[in-house]
Amino acid sequence: AQSVAQPEDQVNVAEGNPLTVKCTYSVSGNPYLFWYVQYPNRGLQFLLKYITGDNLVKGSYGFEAEFNKSQTSFHLKKPSALVSDSALYFCAVRGKGTDKLIFGTGTRLQVFP
Amino acid sequence: DGGITQSPKYLFRKEGQNVTLSCEQNLNHDAMYWYRQDPGQGLRLIYYSQIVNDFQKGDIAEGYSVSREKKESFPLTVTSAQKNPTAFYLCASSMDAGAIGTQYFGPGTRLLVL
Repeated sequence: AQSVAQPEDQVNVAEGNPLTVKCTYSVSGNPYLFWYVQYPNRGLQFLLKYITGDNLVKGSYGFEAEFNKSQTSFHLKKPSALVSDSALYFCAVRGKGTDKLIFGTGTRLQVFP
Repeated sequence: DGGITQSPKYLFRKEGQNVTLSCEQNLNHDAMYWYRQDPGQGLRLIYYSQIVNDFQKGDIAEGYSVSREKKESFPLTVTSAQKNPTAFYLCASSMDAGAIGTQYFGPGTRLLVL
C-alpha cells in the first residue's frame, strides 16, 4: 500500500536560515512526488513535483526538493527562510498505475523574525 | 486557487439536513476530486471523477454523494448519514486522473454543524 510520512508536526527556523521539511514515502514502483503549501483557511497551492530525471527539483518561491530513492525520501528545502514562508506544508505521493494522491499529515513551518 | 471556485466559503448544517457544496473549474480539466481536511489528519479523498457522468468512491465516501453532469462542475452533498461533517472541504482538479497531472485546489468550504 502507498503511504507518505511527515515525521515532524512543526518545524521552527529563524528568518534567513536554511529550512528543511522532511517527507518519506512507500510505494510500489517509481513514485510521483508532490509538495503543496497551505496558508490559513485557504486551499493548497502546488509548489513542485518529481516525476523522473534530475533528483533535485526546483519549484515556486525559491523552494526545492531532493528525491533520494535509496532513503525513499523527498525533503523540501529552501536556502534562506522568510517569515512569509510560515504555513502548513503537505507532501503527497502517487504510485504508478493508481489514480489516487496520498497526502501526509502536514508539517507546520514557523519562521521567526 | 485560480480557475477553481468553491462556494459557499462557510456553510452551516442543522441536524438531519442535507447540504450541497459547489465546485466549479474553468481549466478544462477532465478529473475532479473532493477531499476532507481535519486537523492533524491531512487530506482524505471522498470521491473523484475522471470523466463526465462517472465517479468513484474514495477512502471516506460514506455519508457523501456526488454528481458529474458537466465537465466543469462536481458538487458534493453531505447527507444526514454523515454523523461528523464538521471539516474543511477541498475540491481539486487535474488534466486527467490516470497520468502524472498536478492537482490544483480550490479555496475550500468550511462546514459547521449547528
